[in-house]
Amino acid sequence: GAVVSQHPSRVICKSGTSVKIECRSLDFQATTMFWYRQFPKQSLMLMATSNEGSKATYEQGVEKDKFLINHASLTLSTLTVTSAHPEDSSFYICSAPGRVHTDTQYFGPGTRLTVL
Amino acid sequence: GENVEQHPSTLSVQEGDSAVIKCTYSDSASNYFPWYKQELGKRPQLIIDIRSNVGEKKDQRIAVTLNKTAKHFSLHITETQPEDSAVYFCAANFGNEKLTFGTGTRLTIIP
Repeated sequence: GAVVSQHPSRVICKSGTSVKIECRSLDFQATTMFWYRQFPKQSLMLMATSNEGSKATYEQGVEKDKFLINHASLTLSTLTVTSAHPEDSSFYICSAPGRVHTDTQYFGPGTRLTVL
Repeated sequence: GENVEQHPSTLSVQEGDSAVIKCTYSDSASNYFPWYKQELGKRPQLIIDIRSNVGEKKDQRIAVTLNKTAKHFSLHITETQPEDSAVYFCAANFGNEKLTFGTGTRLTIIP
């Protein structure tokens, strides 16, 4: 397998502020990471693909200026929710491909974002 | 893009009985089909996966079957136990290792 960590696990912020979420691959290097959003009782929706050393690719309907992704190193990708609003409250999860089978994805523990 | 449908949305089975969850996918180029188990507030955990070069794979009480012609795959859990209660998601890959997830099945094992 592969170990992926996320920080913070929970964050509560005021409307209009920005929040940064970190995703780290702990025992391997990941040139690609994925960011998902999961609303209560719903499925995981892919937001964007984070690419080390280049721009992230966003899924249709995801605002790239609102959800800033930076993949500055082979073990760290960050997602910044800018000018957060209550409708951005969700469970944000990152994943990284496995080392042996790159189509297998291993998930971080997730970040519960609550915007007041 | 890829579309993955999953049924049923909820499933209750008596402890010891079997549970079956079914998924269909739209992209004939998909060749990787994982199943994830997610407990409340936790990360999805990979429980089994299958690639398109095989029709069935088994790991103890869990098995997955794949019918590429019909574009559907199923998860089978036998001898269910209370700890099997969770939400299960199927997924299929499309373009550059991306995954599309099904809508999830809430499985409840009745003691």
